[in-house]
Amino acid sequence: QKEVEQNSGPLSVPEGAIASLNCTYSDRGSQSFFWYRQYSGKSPELIMSIYSNGDKEDGRFTAQLNKASQYVSLLIRDSQPSDSATYLCAVNMRKGGYQKVTFGTGTKLQVIP
Amino acid sequence: DTGVSQDPRHKITKRGQNVTFRCDPISEHNRLYWYRQTLGQGPEFLTYFQNEAQLEKSRLLSDRFSAERPKGSFSTLEIQRTEQGDSAMYLCASSLGQKTNEKLFFGSGTQLSVL
Repeated sequence: QKEVEQNSGPLSVPEGAIASLNCTYSDRGSQSFFWYRQYSGKSPELIMSIYSNGDKEDGRFTAQLNKASQYVSLLIRDSQPSDSATYLCAVNMRKGGYQKVTFGTGTKLQVIP
Repeated sequence: DTGVSQDPRHKITKRGQNVTFRCDPISEHNRLYWYRQTLGQGPEFLTYFQNEAQLEKSRLLSDRFSAERPKGSFSTLEIQRTEQGDSAMYLCASSLGQKTNEKLFFGSGTQLSVL
C-alpha cells in the first residue's frame, strides 16, 4: 500500500462545476494534511491545509478530513479553466521518530470551458 | 527576496559526472527538504534537515547522493557518478518545522538531464 494514494486522473469537469479530488493515507497517526497545486512545469504551491476532522473552507476551495477513514478530499466549486493543474495531496507522517511530509502522485484536473 | 531559491535552474551533464545543486531556504525556516520529481509523479522524498542536522535519508537513495546543510542555512545536494535514471526535477522546500504544521514552500527546482 502506498503511503499516500490518489487517482492520477485526468479528472475532467466542465467550467462552473464542482471538482472533487480524493486522497487516502496509510499512517493512522498523521495529524496534518495539505493540498498543493502544481501547474505544468512549475513547483507545487500550497492551497489548503487541514488538521481536524470535518470541513475547512477557503474561497472556492473546501478541504474535508476523515481521520477514522484515513481520507482527505478537496472540493473546488465553480471550477475555472485556470484551475486546470495537478493537485497533490500531502500528509505529515511519522517516520522513525520524526515527522516528514509525504506526497501522493497527484490528480490531474482539466476544466473544460 | 523572501522565497526559496535554487541554483542552477537547469543542468545538463554527461553520465558519470558529478553534479551539485544549491538551495537557499526562507531565512526564518529551520526545516529544509529535498524531493525529486519525474514526469507524472508526485514529489519523492529524498532527505530533510532540521537546522544543520540531517534527520532522515530515503532508503531509495543510493550512496551516490549526499546532502549537507552547514550552519543550518543553505543546503547542497550532490550526485556522484550520475546515471540516466537520475534525470528529474530536484525540488527544495523549507518550512518553519512546527510540530503539527508543516507547510512547505518550494523553490523553482533544478531540472537535471543526464545524457
